[in-house]
Amino acid sequence: NAGVTQTPKFRVLKTGQSMTLLCAQDMNHEYMYWYRQDPGMGLRLIHYSVGEGTTAKGEVPDGYNVSRLKKQNFLLGLESAAPSQTSVYFCASRGRDSDTQYFGPGTRLTVL
Amino acid sequence: EDKVVQSPLSLVVHEGDTVTLNCSYEVTNFRSLLWYKQEKKAPTFLFMLTSSGIEKKSGRLSSILDKKELFSILNITATQTGDSAIYLCAGGGSNYKLTFGKGTLLTVNP
Repeated sequence: NAGVTQTPKFRVLKTGQSMTLLCAQDMNHEYMYWYRQDPGMGLRLIHYSVGEGTTAKGEVPDGYNVSRLKKQNFLLGLESAAPSQTSVYFCASRGRDSDTQYFGPGTRLTVL
Repeated sequence: EDKVVQSPLSLVVHEGDTVTLNCSYEVTNFRSLLWYKQEKKAPTFLFMLTSSGIEKKSGRLSSILDKKELFSILNITATQTGDSAIYLCAGGGSNYKLTFGKGTLLTVNP
């Protein structure tokens, strides 16, 4: 099992460009999450999903959109990237019966 | 608003020392307290605690939860340089989410 995978691993964008980060999990998990991690700020929840076709806002949702068209995939979109979105982005998933979240390897995004 | 506070924010020790990391929480409808280790990549799961007073142990690492005082500690005995990492604490409630603390940066010097 690959667990949780993220694509791409690194990306550099110019201000105003758009991009989509892909998260995939092969554990048949119901719940999926997108976090960003910045120095001194810990992990902050952007959006999450409790099932296929459902999404909800987390702590810092502005500037991001998400979609969960298939149970195994959770996409994070930036429509018009800003330098403040420079961060490391982690995807995580968990099953229905435990609070334990399993993390993907992360995407390092730089917005110039 | 749920809140998790970790202390200290950073800690430098020598190999062989024992360390205690602290985590206090205020989580609505609290269900679980989780510890993760993060080296230069993704957080990896260490422990999940749901019952007060019961210690979870894995090798040199152990953790305990106090639901009355709303805190948890993570102990690492006989530290090694490979223990150098950020240790994250998170509280889980009934809303499918985890609230993370800012983490404790542990540096173990040889």
